[in-house]
Amino acid sequence: EDQVTQSPEALRLQEGESSSLNCSYTVSGLRGLFWYRQDPGKGPEFLFTLYSAGEEKEKERLKATLTKKESFLHITAPKPEDSATYLCAVLTGANSKLTFGKGITLSVRP
Amino acid sequence: EPEVTQTPSHQVTQMGQEVILRCVPISNHLYFYWYRQILGQKVEFLVSFYNNEISEKSEIFDDQFSVERPDGSNFTLKIRSTKLEDSAMYFCASSLGQAGYTFGSGTRLTVV
Repeated sequence: EDQVTQSPEALRLQEGESSSLNCSYTVSGLRGLFWYRQDPGKGPEFLFTLYSAGEEKEKERLKATLTKKESFLHITAPKPEDSATYLCAVLTGANSKLTFGKGITLSVRP
Repeated sequence: EPEVTQTPSHQVTQMGQEVILRCVPISNHLYFYWYRQILGQKVEFLVSFYNNEISEKSEIFDDQFSVERPDGSNFTLKIRSTKLEDSAMYFCASSLGQAGYTFGSGTRLTVV
């Protein structure tokens, strides 16, 4: 069974304090690893898809990286508006379903 | 930017009643999904739909659930006889295979 574990569960940062969010996975046949941002009471908002080990993608203050066992979402000089829950999900095998982790709640203090 | 639209945003229903949650996926997408998220828990897969039939479903998606694509644009989830434990956020999503996997803003279902 595919497993996705995100850590830490919650992270509090000062504005401008860079950090990384971790997503480790145990799956058979990874087809893609997805990062989403979720605000309270809203749906997951797509950030990145990574397809193979060594791949990196960037968007504004966020950078996602992928190895064979884990992915990191690096946040550089975060701002209060980056406060949200960040979800990691994997797409595996011949199926089209995503398996999600529990998410990391990020709080950025001004 | 194309988006997945869900209605209603909030639905309150009595236990045992039937509810229909509605979704308009992104127009050129081929795969359609329903997920749910119970408060404080992870997002869980319910069902995927491709080429006018269910392609995969989870153990949660039992006989009380059904999906339909009644026309070229809408995608619905029906819960036949709601239970208290069906209270959750229900998200519709659509994709072009593994690309463009986009979620709607959700319907909050409250069963009383």
